Amino acid sequence: EAGVAQSPRYKIIEKRQSVAFWCNPISGHATLYWYQQILGQGPKLLIQFQNNGVVDDSQLPKDRFSAERLKGVDSTLKIQPAKLEDSAVYLCASSLIPGGHYGYTFGSGTRLTVV
Amino acid sequence: TQLLEQSPQFLSIQEGENLTVYCNSSSVFSSLQWYRQEPGEGPVLLVTVVTGGEVKKLKRLTFQFGDARKDSSLHITAAQPGDTGLYLCAITYAGNMLTFGGGTRLMVKP
Repeated sequence: EAGVAQSPRYKIIEKRQSVAFWCNPISGHATLYWYQQILGQGPKLLIQFQNNGVVDDSQLPKDRFSAERLKGVDSTLKIQPAKLEDSAVYLCASSLIPGGHYGYTFGSGTRLTVV
Repeated sequence: TQLLEQSPQFLSIQEGENLTVYCNSSSVFSSLQWYRQEPGEGPVLLVTVVTGGEVKKLKRLTFQFGDARKDSSLHITAAQPGDTGLYLCAITYAGNMLTFGGGTRLMVKP
């Protein structure tokens, strides 16, 4: 089966600019997650979707980050305006059922550099 | 305070050596997962452990879940350069969210 697709792979922007990332999960996976991974750290959950509804976005900095999954399939994560500390890899993951017991499948991520 | 503490943070060894990395918490979990992440890629699931005291083997990798289900270890026998990567443990927290530790970065030199 095809994996989780993410684009772009790399993005360099200046601070205060806007940026968007795209994710297409594995076909049939109802649950989709966005994680932020700062260099040298483990991934941190930003938001979880179940179909097109938000399950948890408690760790999403809502003053600058937004995410949507309008048709319950692919998703976009936006940062506006970006700050230097947003430099990180943004990982998208999906799972067939909610919860981590059967594991998630991750995409290769988008590496964002804010200068 | 991190929910999961991984140690060591960094490990550099020669090919052929054995190593053990650890994942610890003060909380009890119903299950725990180990992932490996290579540079430029997302984490890939290696194993899920569920039962206290459980031991699972994946070729040269041996995973153990502590009896009290609060800790886990990953042992690699005769490490190879292909084992190089970031090893992450993760648990399901608050029902649905997979929470990761900080990871152990392993480098195996030929």
